[in-house]
Amino acid sequence: GAGVSQSPSNKVTEKGKDVELRCDPISGHTALYWYRQRLGQGLEFLIYFQGNSAPDKSGLPSDRFSAERTGESVSTLTIQRTQQEDSAVYLCASSLFRGEQGYTFGSGTRLTVV
Amino acid sequence: DAKTTQPPSMDCAEGRAANLPCNHSTISGNEYVYWYRQIHSQGPQYIIHGLKNNETNEMASLIITEDRKSSTLILPHATLRDTAVYYCIVRSHETYGNKLVFGAGTILRVKS
Repeated sequence: GAGVSQSPSNKVTEKGKDVELRCDPISGHTALYWYRQRLGQGLEFLIYFQGNSAPDKSGLPSDRFSAERTGESVSTLTIQRTQQEDSAVYLCASSLFRGEQGYTFGSGTRLTVV
Repeated sequence: DAKTTQPPSMDCAEGRAANLPCNHSTISGNEYVYWYRQIHSQGPQYIIHGLKNNETNEMASLIITEDRKSSTLILPHATLRDTAVYYCIVRSHETYGNKLVFGAGTILRVKS
């Protein structure tokens, strides 16, 4: 597609449930980021994929969070046993190589844990 | 990556130029200056970037001082739709795993 697509756009889940968020990057983009943005806060780095190299997982807040990406295709961010503090907008961004010409962001998934 | 310092907020009159400053006094020779913005309830949007020369595109101009320790993003004719948080980021292209990290940015309010 023309842009970065994220689904679902909104997700309401009960505390303790697992959720899976999806990101479809722009075709051919080798780099992919996940960020979290709590209400009124800045963007918090979660994880970075670059081609087939080992991802940089240094931003994942706990072992309840994991992300996968096969090659240069779709990525999924999984949150297990969701907590209320996981409520946030989760943003995905992709770029060619290392983002020399800038990253393209999706519109995000708004996750609400009740 | 070098750290940046931006004012927390600025106001600008509609139709006037908005000049957003950014200090990056510890920038390295191979680091670029990037600007992104985030309009409310949307994902960030890339605006412009530069290394040492001034740059202009359809969205904005970027002026980088000769010593590269500061820069200014210029929106030549601000509109209400330019109200957003503007992020200045310095980043090299050369280091693998070089994360794109966002600071607090500047909240620009364009007023009619």
